[in-house]
Amino acid sequence: QKEVEQDPGPLSVPEGAIVSLNCTYSNSAFQYFMWYRQYSRKGPELLMYTYSSGNKEDGRFTAQVDKSSKYISLFIRDSQPSDSATYLCAMSMGGSEKLVFGKGTKLTVNP
Amino acid sequence: DTGVSQNPRHKITKRGQNVTFRCDPISEHNRLYWYRQTLGQGPEFLTYFQNEAQLEKSRLLSDRFSAERPKGSFSTLEIQRTEQGDSAMYLCASTRGPDTQYFGPGTRLTVL
Repeated sequence: QKEVEQDPGPLSVPEGAIVSLNCTYSNSAFQYFMWYRQYSRKGPELLMYTYSSGNKEDGRFTAQVDKSSKYISLFIRDSQPSDSATYLCAMSMGGSEKLVFGKGTKLTVNP
Repeated sequence: DTGVSQNPRHKITKRGQNVTFRCDPISEHNRLYWYRQTLGQGPEFLTYFQNEAQLEKSRLLSDRFSAERPKGSFSTLEIQRTEQGDSAMYLCASTRGPDTQYFGPGTRLTVL
C-alpha cells in the first residue's frame, strides 16, 4: 500500500460544476497537507496549504482535512476551463520535510 | 521576487552519457529539494539540502546520481552513465524555514 492514495481519474466535468478531489493516507505522522496544480509539462504550482483538521477556503478553492480518517479533499466551486490540469495532493511530517505526493488526478472542465 | 529556475528545460541524451542539471532557488530560501516525476505519477523525493549540507537522500538516488549545493545557493544534479529508465522530469523546489515548497518548471530528460 502506498503512503498516499489518489484516484488518477480522469475526471471530466462541465463548466460551472463543483469538483471534489480526494486523497487518503496511511501514515498518521503526516501533519502538513498541500494541494498543487500542474499543467502539462510544467512544474507543480501551490494552491492550498494547511496543517490542521478542518476547512480552509481561498476564493473558489476549499481544502478539507480529516486527520482522524486520514482523508483530505479539495473542492473547486464554479469550475472553469482554465482549471483543467492535474491536481496533486502532497503531505509531509514537518513543515520543511520532504513531500510525499499522490499520483495526481487529471481534471478536464468542458466549456 | 523571481521564482525557482531550472536549466536546461529539456535535455536529450544518449544512453551512457553524463548529464548535469542546475537549479536556482528563490533567494534567501535555505532549503532546496530535488524530485523526479515520471509520466502519470506524482513527484518522488530524491534529496534535499539545508544551506550547503545534504541532509537526506532517497534510496531512489543510486550511486550514478550526485547532487551538490556549493555555498548554499544554486544546486546541481548530475546523472552519470544515463539509462533509459532515467527519462523523467526532474523538479527542484525551495523553501525558507517551516513553509511549503515552491517548485521550478522542471528539466525534462529523455535518454535515447
